[in-house]
Order: sequence, then structure tokens, then C-alpha cells
Amino acid sequence: DAGITQSPRHKVTETGTPVTLRCHQTENHRYMYWYRQDPGHGLRLIHYSYGVKDTDKGEVSDGYSVSRSKTEDFLLTLESATSSQTSVYFCAISEGGGPAYEQYFGPGTRLTVT
Amino acid sequence: SQKIEQNSEALNIQEGKTATLTCNYTNYSPAYLQWYRQDPGRGPVFLLLIRENEKEKRKERLKVTFDTTLKQSLFHITASQPADSATYLCALSNAGNNRKLIWGLGTSLGVNP
Repeated sequence: DAGITQSPRHKVTETGTPVTLRCHQTENHRYMYWYRQDPGHGLRLIHYSYGVKDTDKGEVSDGYSVSRSKTEDFLLTLESATSSQTSVYFCAISEGGGPAYEQYFGPGTRLTVT
Repeated sequence: SQKIEQNSEALNIQEGKTATLTCNYTNYSPAYLQWYRQDPGRGPVFLLLIRENEKEKRKERLKVTFDTTLKQSLFHITASQPADSATYLCALSNAGNNRKLIWGLGTSLGVNP
């Protein structure tokens, strides 16, 4: 987890409320990713970023938006949280893009939507 | 449809033995395959990466093989220790245009002292 922090680490929120999760890195890596991890599913990519203000969708992007205004910060926003978004969210970084580069993960945020 | 399969049942072995974990895939042509370790309540930690033109990769007590004919990767931990107990994830990427990592569900390994 060195060099990557996520906040908050735990959050309980109500359906319909907006939620923002923050990922902060001190490694100056260009690529940053947001995943969710649920029982019965592997890690699934929500959005990723390949530079400041450069982002793209992953396989489960519906209901989520992201922003990256600085190299070190990548924000994930749930505009109107739903119970199906209850999950553990992981941020990851990599030095380069694509599968040839290993990814380094943060400690995760456990989000519960009631 | 595309599928990645890892042993869903937990693997329990005795300390000192070699643990072998399997990652099978169908309808993929992966160019890269990665293995990660995940402990409860923590994020995955990168272990090894192997390319499609590599048959085997080693790092200390870890060894990964990649057989594109069998569509399978094997992950070995030799001289296993209780500290090796964790869930091990494989992740792969197609050689095609969409080269993002696709993740398996992981296999839980328990090493008994």
C-alpha cells in the first residue's frame, strides 16, 4: 500500500446521496485505476486515467464518474448511490499503461449503501 | 464467452510442501498474465508477470508457467510457509485492442504449520 492512500476507508451512506472517494499517490505514476471487488466477481474496472484530465471508462462505469485534476489525485464519484454500489473499492496505479505493467493497489474503501 | 477460472475451493497444504495454483482461461488470447496476492481486508499485491512468449518465470520461491496451448498458467510456491496463506489472483489481458486486465476470482491458500 506504500505510496497510495484512499479515503475514506469506510463509509455508510443512504440511497440517493452523492459519494466521493479519493485516491492519492506519491509515486508520480501516470496511470490510475478504480476497481470494485464483490463476492462472486473478480476485480472489475470502473474507470481509469492516463494523465491529468485524461480518463476513460472501464467495464462497469454506469453510475460512476471520475476526475483527475492533479497527477496525484483521482476521485471517484457516485452521483446518486444505489444499493448495488455497495462494494469494496480499490484504487491502483501503474507506471505505464496496459497489461505489461504491474499495478499497485491502495488499501481499499468499504462502501455500504443502505 | 470469455472465462477465467481459478480453483474455487481452498487449497490447504502442509508447511514445506509446494503449493500449485491453476489459472485456466477460455476464448482469450492473452499477451500477458499476472499473479497477485491478496490478504483479507487489503489490496492485491503484485507478484509476477509473464508474457505469452515466455514459458516460465521465477522469483525467489515463486514460479509461474504459461502454456498458451493448454490455455493455462500454473503458479507454484516452493517450501511453503504459513505466511504464504492468502488468496492468489490471476489477471490476464488479450492481445487485441482492448488490453485491460481481466481478473480471476482467486484461490485461497492455507499453509498449515
